[in-house]
Amino acid sequence: AQSVTQLGSHVSVSEGALVLLRCNYSSSVPPYLFWYVQYPNQGLQLLLKYTSAATLVKGINGFEAEFKKSETSFHLTKPSAHMSDAAEYFCAVTVKAAGNKLTFGGGTRVLVKP
Amino acid sequence: GAVVSQHPSRVICKSGTSVKIECRSLDFQATTMFWYRQFPKQSLMLMATSNEGSKATYEQGVEKDKFLINHASLTLSTLTVTSAHPEDSSFYICSASLGGSNQPQHFGDGTRLSIL
Repeated sequence: AQSVTQLGSHVSVSEGALVLLRCNYSSSVPPYLFWYVQYPNQGLQLLLKYTSAATLVKGINGFEAEFKKSETSFHLTKPSAHMSDAAEYFCAVTVKAAGNKLTFGGGTRVLVKP
Repeated sequence: GAVVSQHPSRVICKSGTSVKIECRSLDFQATTMFWYRQFPKQSLMLMATSNEGSKATYEQGVEKDKFLINHASLTLSTLTVTSAHPEDSSFYICSASLGGSNQPQHFGDGTRLSIL
C-alpha cells in the first residue's frame, strides 16, 4: 500500500519569501504524485502532477515540485509567497494498480504574514 | 476544463432527515467518481468509489446502508445520507476522474452538512 507523509502541519512564511512544503511518499511501484490546494469551505484544486515524465513539474500559481526517487520526495515550492497562497495543501499518491484511488497526506496549512 | 459541480453547498436539517448530495462533471465524462468526508482541520477520508452503472465500493468502516451512492450516468453521482444524525455532520466532497491512474481527480466545492 502507498502512503504519504507531509512534514509540518503548519507553515508560516512572510510575503515574498520562499514557500517550501515537504512531501515524502512510500510506494513499492512507480508512483503518480499530486499536489492539491484547498481554500476554506471549498473543494480541492489541482496544483500539479507527476506522472513519470519530467521530474521537475511546474503547476499553476507559480508552484513547482520536483520528484526525487532516491529521496522518495515530492516537495512543493514557490519562490515568492503571496497573501493569496494562504490555504491548506495536500500531497497525494496513487499507483497504476490503485485504479485512480488517491492516498492523501495529512495536509499542511500555510499562513502568509504581511 | 474538468469542472465538477456539487450541490447543495450547505444543508441544515433535522435529525432523522435523509439528505441527497449531487456531484456532476460538467465538461467531461467521469469514469469514476469518489466521495470523501473531511473533519475539521483533517485530511480527506475516502468513503467510497463509484463507477457508472455498477455498485459503489465502500471503504472499510463506512456503512453502505447509511451512505447510499448512485452513479446513474457518466456525469452524475449522488450520495444520500439516510436518516441523518448529528454525528453525520461533516464536510462531504466529491471528485471525478477520466480514469487511469495518471489522471488527476477533479473536485467539487464540497457540501457542509449540519444535522440539528
